Amino acid sequence: GAVVSQHPSWVICKSGTSVKIECRSLDFQATTMFWYRQFPKQSLMLMATSNEGSKATYEQGVEKDKFLINHASLTLSTLTVTSAHPEDSSFYICSASPSGRAGSYNEQFFGPGTRLTVL
Amino acid sequence: QKEVEQDPGPLSVPEGAIVSLNCTYSNSAFQYFMWYRQYSRKGPELLMYTYSSGNKEDGRFTAQVDKSSKYISLFIRDSQPSDSATYLCASRRDSWGKLQFGAGTQVVVTP
Repeated sequence: GAVVSQHPSWVICKSGTSVKIECRSLDFQATTMFWYRQFPKQSLMLMATSNEGSKATYEQGVEKDKFLINHASLTLSTLTVTSAHPEDSSFYICSASPSGRAGSYNEQFFGPGTRLTVL
Repeated sequence: QKEVEQDPGPLSVPEGAIVSLNCTYSNSAFQYFMWYRQYSRKGPELLMYTYSSGNKEDGRFTAQVDKSSKYISLFIRDSQPSDSATYLCASRRDSWGKLQFGAGTQVVVTP
């Protein structure tokens, strides 16, 4: 099956610093990648949809200047949490959809997640 | 109101029992219905997806969709302790659209 990796798997940072999370599709190309946030015992909430070579589309209520998304290649998307605060502490998960599968169900393959703790 | 509602549980069953999970949804435009399994501190993995109404079976897993009542179900037969996880239902309008997730139901299968 298709594999999506995330790095780092966990990170602890001080309030006010910025943190970058990488999402890679290892064995397929992904025109579209998605970033989710999951709080304990809650569901996944879509933050933004990232398309290779274009600006990300953010969901309502998500600050695009705080959560910077870059999708510079067909296998890599990054999420940067700028000026992180304790309330940004969460589990961040990315997913990727393979390119070129028009006409069939387009599965999203999820990464293992990155646990961010802001002190 | 959330577009996909799911009881968070926890649901505890003895090994070998049938696990019954369900969700309801409000958006009649949803066409694709998925069940994901998520182990603690891991990303979700797709178990099954169904297009429109009907049943789908894969090994010990059966997914059912009733669009008339906007009801989604997942049954796990002969449950094993390794089935202990959080199960998330999700729906989307089309094959490329964004996923709307339920809250997830924590399942514990006791030996």
